[in-house]
Amino acid sequence: EVQLLESGGGLVQPGGSLRLSCAASGFTFTSCGMSWVRQAPGKGLEWVSGISKNGGETFYADSVRGRFTISKDNSKNTLYLEMNSLRAEDTAVYYCAKYSLLGLHYSDNWGQGTLVTVSS
Amino acid sequence: IVMTQSPDSLAVSLGERATINCKSSQSLQSNSNGKNYLAWYQQTPGQPPKLLIYWASTRESGVPDRFSGSGSGTDFTLSISSLQAEDVAVYYCQQYFSTPPHTFGQGTKLEIK
Repeated sequence: EVQLLESGGGLVQPGGSLRLSCAASGFTFTSCGMSWVRQAPGKGLEWVSGISKNGGETFYADSVRGRFTISKDNSKNTLYLEMNSLRAEDTAVYYCAKYSLLGLHYSDNWGQGTLVTVSS
Repeated sequence: IVMTQSPDSLAVSLGERATINCKSSQSLQSNSNGKNYLAWYQQTPGQPPKLLIYWASTRESGVPDRFSGSGSGTDFTLSISSLQAEDVAVYYCQQYFSTPPHTFGQGTKLEIK
């Protein structure tokens, strides 16, 4: 059974930093790209960042490019999202999602999410 | 690529058909393989999204056959043939044509009439 467990969320001040982690199990982590998708309170889904299966290619939404960094540690089966220069509009539940074996297409499994609140 | 869903909300009686539309700002159909790079997700209250449909019309394993996807190019539809109480949710379309970002529609909230 695929499991994705996010952690690292919390309350942070504007301008601060946070690192999210997503521990993966139940599938071959090295065979799948991964992504982060966020959902602001009461709002829709926003794709944030994606990474190829070997970590060699990374992609970002315009809203976070230059502030967020996605990475993948295949030896630890863990996905990360380093978030810097955080803003109030980054407040959201952040979901870790697994791409299908076919590549960076649709996401066939999602974690439960971790809440990030940016506020003074 | 901008994804626009309609309607924003929908109320349907139990056992009746529900239809949700999704329109993309450019074609999602590949010239090389003919596939349409579109997925549908269901999000029930307090839960993460769940994949329902990919390649516009392929049902994910375990998804009831009352859910179906159709369309091609820029216009797509998610249909629920006979609405059940557990189908109350917000539904999102997502395009994955070319490299990311893979944008979502704004969501359609489905309720029971």
